[in-house]
Amino acid sequence: EPEVTQTPSHQVTQMGQEVILRCVPISNHLYFYWYRQILGQKVEFLVSFYNNEISEKSEIFDDQFSVERPDGSNFTLKIRSTKLEDSAMYFCASSGYRERETQYFGPGTRLLVL
Amino acid sequence: KQEVTQIPAALSVPEGENLVLNCSFTDSAIYNLQWFRQDPGKGLTSLLLIQSSQREQTSGRLNASLDKSSGRSTLYIAASQPGDSATYLCAVKKGGSEKLVFGKGTKLTVNP
Repeated sequence: EPEVTQTPSHQVTQMGQEVILRCVPISNHLYFYWYRQILGQKVEFLVSFYNNEISEKSEIFDDQFSVERPDGSNFTLKIRSTKLEDSAMYFCASSGYRERETQYFGPGTRLLVL
Repeated sequence: KQEVTQIPAALSVPEGENLVLNCSFTDSAIYNLQWFRQDPGKGLTSLLLIQSSQREQTSGRLNASLDKSSGRSTLYIAASQPGDSATYLCAVKKGGSEKLVFGKGTKLTVNP
């Protein structure tokens, strides 16, 4: 069964450093998403991406964040200058059709900012 | 602003029991509702998706119902097993929006 994959599974970085989280969505999907979950809190939407551009973003997704689909398979989330409060589990998701279909989530990348 | 609440926050039951998990949402103008399972430190596994025009969906021992007008959904798990132990999340999507809005989840423990 097709699945969303994410690398790395864990990342530790120093405050102020740039990190890139990588995702490979399900191959025939068209809509891509990033969510995050701070320990003990709800899963929160960050951004959605369709047709090579951001289609929706939350107030969390400020100028420190960017997303890119550099080739036909990868989808990345970049945090330019990490802060302590960016420590969280970051989930990538994809869906085949925006509204009617299930969003399928990857296993997540646990980011720890020291 | 949509708020999703799940009650109870935690539930412990003996194996074999039937149980119901509750989800409520403040804005009834949803497009669909999705139930997920999350194992500790892991990703989200989609269990069921209910469109706003539907009343329920079933998959194996799971049955999810939706009452959009009252802002409620339930997830019914029949004949619970220890392997069902996990956190169950519900999430709603509004029409015209990309994002899922999640509840905090119900942590289920099924004791052998």
